[in-house]
Amino acid sequence: AQKVTQAQTEISVVEKEDVTLDCVYETRDTTYYLFWYKQPPSGELVFLIRRNSFDEQNEISGRYSWNFQKSTSSFNFTITASQVVDSAVYFCALILNTDKLIFGTGTRLQVFP
Amino acid sequence: EAQVTQNPRYLITVTGKKLTVTCSQNMNHEYMSWYRQDPGLGLRQIYYSMNVEVTDKGDVPEGYKVSRKEKRNFPLILESPSPNQTSLYFCASSHTGQGVHYGYTFGSGTRLTVV
Repeated sequence: AQKVTQAQTEISVVEKEDVTLDCVYETRDTTYYLFWYKQPPSGELVFLIRRNSFDEQNEISGRYSWNFQKSTSSFNFTITASQVVDSAVYFCALILNTDKLIFGTGTRLQVFP
Repeated sequence: EAQVTQNPRYLITVTGKKLTVTCSQNMNHEYMSWYRQDPGLGLRQIYYSMNVEVTDKGDVPEGYKVSRKEKRNFPLILESPSPNQTSLYFCASSHTGQGVHYGYTFGSGTRLTVV
């Protein structure tokens, strides 16, 4: 089976809290790509990060960081010092050799002032 | 500016009235795809196209048609829309190069309501 699981349907935090969004994927392919997208209330899908299966280096971009662990098939996303503007639905997604993009069901993050 | 353009952004129509949602990309991408987004289900693939005149079904193709006569355009056709096709639709394009996948670029979405 090839799928992406985002077990957290909704998370609420208060501004300045750190928050981690979980993503677990399943695939038998040895080459694949993992993505995170942000969908703000306006509805568009905003690309955040791409990671290929051969690169397990963690990445930090400002307040965002990503932890990729092949051993647990996880690609978690952490927002440090969250802000109200971070409120959105976040999707984790997987691309296989077939080019097909498989999405998780999304995690709705609400950051309260 | 590199982009995927979908039109219209919003559409309300009646059951059975044929409609077309247009999608155009200016990045010379080979691969294009349509997704629908429904609450609790994430985004599901409707149809995709690997190149001109090459299309195939995704996970939820029933009730939809597509065509790829030109590389830049990939319209989504609903011949006889029904209320269960009320959804948010996204068109996307992507490309690979030297074995590297560069990910998808998405259009802004089309919110369709069928009454």
